[in-house]
Amino acid sequence: GQQLNQSPQSMFIQEGEDVSMNCTSSSIFNTWLWYKQDPGEGPVLLIALYKAGELTSNGRLTAQFGITRKDSFLNISASIPSDVGIYFCAGNYGGATNKLIFGTGTLLAVQP
Amino acid sequence: EAGVAQSPRYKIIEKRQSVAFWCNPISGHATLYWYQQILGQGPKLLIQFQNNGVVDDSQLPKDRFSAERLKGVDSTLKIQPAKLEDSAVYLCASSHWEINYGYTFGSGTRLTVV
Repeated sequence: GQQLNQSPQSMFIQEGEDVSMNCTSSSIFNTWLWYKQDPGEGPVLLIALYKAGELTSNGRLTAQFGITRKDSFLNISASIPSDVGIYFCAGNYGGATNKLIFGTGTLLAVQP
Repeated sequence: EAGVAQSPRYKIIEKRQSVAFWCNPISGHATLYWYQQILGQGPKLLIQFQNNGVVDDSQLPKDRFSAERLKGVDSTLKIQPAKLEDSAVYLCASSHWEINYGYTFGSGTRLTVV
């Protein structure tokens, strides 16, 4: 099935550094969402974006809905060890189904 | 509010055996989803229910997978017979109909087929 292209695949950074990751699609989405998944757990919603160009923050996290509606970006500022995990973008077409198309994931490791 | 409950957490079976997973969504969430997450990949939708009706099962391998949500609340996902490639985490999620609030996922059931 379709999956979104997410980059980078993995990141190994020092505590305190800023992080950027992005997600691209060949299709237009009505909604973009960013999730974080810890080992052995289900994904947890971080940020939801509903309009092209929208920029939304959640604490140290900031995400943007791309103008073309085919991409989205997530930034994490001043990373801390508990930011470790896998980050997934997800897109929704809207309409009759609420199906989410997930990205391939970005593994983030933070060195204290 | 209580989260999405799933059981069992782990299951190991031999190929060609049958297995069933159970999910209890958040109270009041009309929409329930089953996703399959293969190691190293993002989740992929298997089936979506709206109350007790199927909205989307286009990605469900219907020759071996089945799911039901008889009373519009909890749901079961069954695999019969299992194949090696079915090894994955099976995630249940629920939401209000408006996707605006996103999904709430359960912790998943990790299935290993040997």
